[in-house]
Amino acid sequence: KAGVTQTPRYLIKTRGQQVTLSCSPISGHRSVSWYQQTPGQGLQFLFEYFSETQRNKGNFPGRFSGRQFSNSRSEMNVSTLELGDSALYLCASSLGNGQPQHFGDGTRLSIL
Amino acid sequence: AQTVTQSQPEMSVQEAETVTLSCTYDTSENNYYLFWYKQPPSRQMILVIRQEAYKQQNATENRFSVNFQKAAKSFSLKISDSQLGDTAMYFCAFTSYNNNDMRFGAGTRLTVKP
Repeated sequence: KAGVTQTPRYLIKTRGQQVTLSCSPISGHRSVSWYQQTPGQGLQFLFEYFSETQRNKGNFPGRFSGRQFSNSRSEMNVSTLELGDSALYLCASSLGNGQPQHFGDGTRLSIL
Repeated sequence: AQTVTQSQPEMSVQEAETVTLSCTYDTSENNYYLFWYKQPPSRQMILVIRQEAYKQQNATENRFSVNFQKAAKSFSLKISDSQLGDTAMYFCAFTSYNNNDMRFGAGTRLTVKP
C-alpha cells in the first residue's frame, strides 16, 4: 500500500506570495491532518479534515487554510507569506480518532 | 489544554545497550492515546509505538516498550539492544479520545554510538 505522498518536496517563495501544498493520503484513510515543524516551535497542529470537513483547527492565523476533496486528497494554502512561515509542513493520514497517523515526507517551504 | 513535555533534549547510548526516554503530559481527560514517533535525518515521521490510556498493559513492539503510568501522567520509551539505525529524533505525542489534534513534545535527539 502506498504511503502518504506530499508534493512538492521543496518550495522557495518570497514574502507576500501565496503557496499551495498537496497531500495524498493512504488509500482508505479519510482523516488528513497538517502540521508545521520549525526548530523554534517544534511540531504544531494546523488543522484536520475528515470526509471533506474541517474538524479541528490549531492556533494559526486565517492566512493558513485547507481543503479536502472527495477522494480524501488534501491541499493546504498559505497566503501573504511571511518570513516566519519558513518551515517543514507535514501531512498525516489516519483511519480516524486515536488511530496512528501516518506521515508523509513533508514539504520544506523557504521564504526569502 | 493538553501539553507534552520531554525533558531530555539529547541522549546517547552505546550500541546493544538499553536506553529510556522520558515523557510527561498534562490532561484532565480520562480517555486518550499516547504515541512515540521517531524522525530520522531523512525527516519522515515513523510510528514507534501506541498506547491506549484505558489499557493498563504497557504496549510493546519488538525492542521498543513503554512504561505507562497513568496516575503520574508519565509515558517513557525503553529501547533495548540499541542499534545504529535507532539514531533519530524521538517525539512523544498525545491525542484526545474524540479528536485527531496530535500534541507533540519538543523531542529527544538520540544518538546510538558504535
